[in-house]
Amino acid sequence: DTAVSQTPKYLVTQMGNDKSIKCEQNLGHDTMYWYKQDSKKFLKIMFSYNNKELIINETVPNRFSPKSPDKAHLNLHINSLELGDSAVYFCASSQEGVRGDTQYFGPGTRLTVL
Amino acid sequence: AQKITQTQPGMFVQEKEAVTLDCTYDTSDPSYGLFWYKQPSSGEMIFLIYQGSYDQQNATEGRYSLNFQKARKSANLVISASQLGDSAMYFCAMRPFSGGYNKLIFGAGTRLAVHP
Repeated sequence: DTAVSQTPKYLVTQMGNDKSIKCEQNLGHDTMYWYKQDSKKFLKIMFSYNNKELIINETVPNRFSPKSPDKAHLNLHINSLELGDSAVYFCASSQEGVRGDTQYFGPGTRLTVL
Repeated sequence: AQKITQTQPGMFVQEKEAVTLDCTYDTSDPSYGLFWYKQPSSGEMIFLIYQGSYDQQNATEGRYSLNFQKARKSANLVISASQLGDSAMYFCAMRPFSGGYNKLIFGAGTRLAVHP
């Protein structure tokens, strides 16, 4: 009965590679998000999709590209990985009008770029 | 500017005691939501409690309560009867309702250690 799931949980890769992180939610929510948590534990939003439409795109390098094939899935593709991309990436989802649009987070994906 | 400030990088509490984690916020939006999340050492982010800016009563969820003081722009989390499993990072977050976009702004977090 997992609510928001992400794969993989850990990702170790070399600089310059391209990688993807997948997210799925079974809560029936209409909005999904990607957040980045840096080494100091600071969390910042990257993207948000509402019913497959991109609605928030913070100042994130073009190397990051989200894709939402349907409203239950939001994937994050990262091209040409750099050392500074090492972080924990969280997917989240929410339903408009429910409890202040409370966001529920996935377990996170720890990305390490060597 | 929208900002969340958590001034306590670390706190400790004795098991079974109550503890208050501080959070102040800055926003010019008349309508906003305030949230607390828990991040245990396993890394997941767990939603704890929500308070709307127009809610008249302070929110409570089991052992968690939110001490909301709108005039002081503070939204402190109170954990009653602390348990060892409460040891974690705690994040305060705010969502301004203007603009229509659900963007959470997080504080830097407070690390809570519960001692037996």
